[in-house]
Amino acid sequence: NTKITQSPRYLILGRANKSLECEQHLGHNAMYWYKQSAEKPPELMFLYNLKQLIRNETVPSRFIPECPDSSKLLLHISAVDPEDSAVYFCASSPQGAGNTLYFGEGSRLIVV
Amino acid sequence: AQSVTQPDARVTVSQGASLQLRCKYSYSGTPYLFWYVQYPRQGLQLLLKYYSGDPVVQGVNGFEAEFSKSNSSFHPRKASVHWSDSAVYFCAVSSNTGANTGKLTFGHGTILRVHP
Repeated sequence: NTKITQSPRYLILGRANKSLECEQHLGHNAMYWYKQSAEKPPELMFLYNLKQLIRNETVPSRFIPECPDSSKLLLHISAVDPEDSAVYFCASSPQGAGNTLYFGEGSRLIVV
Repeated sequence: AQSVTQPDARVTVSQGASLQLRCKYSYSGTPYLFWYVQYPRQGLQLLLKYYSGDPVVQGVNGFEAEFSKSNSSFHPRKASVHWSDSAVYFCAVSSNTGANTGKLTFGHGTILRVHP
């Protein structure tokens, strides 16, 4: 799926700061960050609709989302913890409940 | 609260055999139900979706699924699997009302392995 691009694809960090980036070319109004830990299902972190943050699940404060425009989504991570090792997926969907989510290929974060 | 349960963590079948995966949901009202497939090192892709209408829905790659309100189930099936169907399959539920509107909740996934 090249219509949702994420960067970087792989990231190895110590206790550093880094940002993940996502861009969708589908014209969708809603964008999401999901976290998928090893052998677990994806879990919603944040949901934006029309650039407004409308869902903020129980996520450590070191994760800060940003939606500079309706097609871009950022996830700023500061002072990562080993429990943050996971794949972070960006997704988007048309506005409205029950719409299909389209996922990017993920950014794999390894905390050393 | 909305939730889905996938009772089978792993399923192994031979190529050419028929397949049925299982998903039970918990939701008051009529939910949006989805199946997503995740191939190795990739994101999730939609396989099937149901909200209303005909309880049998057609998906991609030869999959179809039947929604049953009485059984709270949404089981996909395929008549003849191919080794390329090997992947992790996730059932998911989404709400259209209340505090969980827009939130997609996934089951724990079923790892499908197809022997060539």
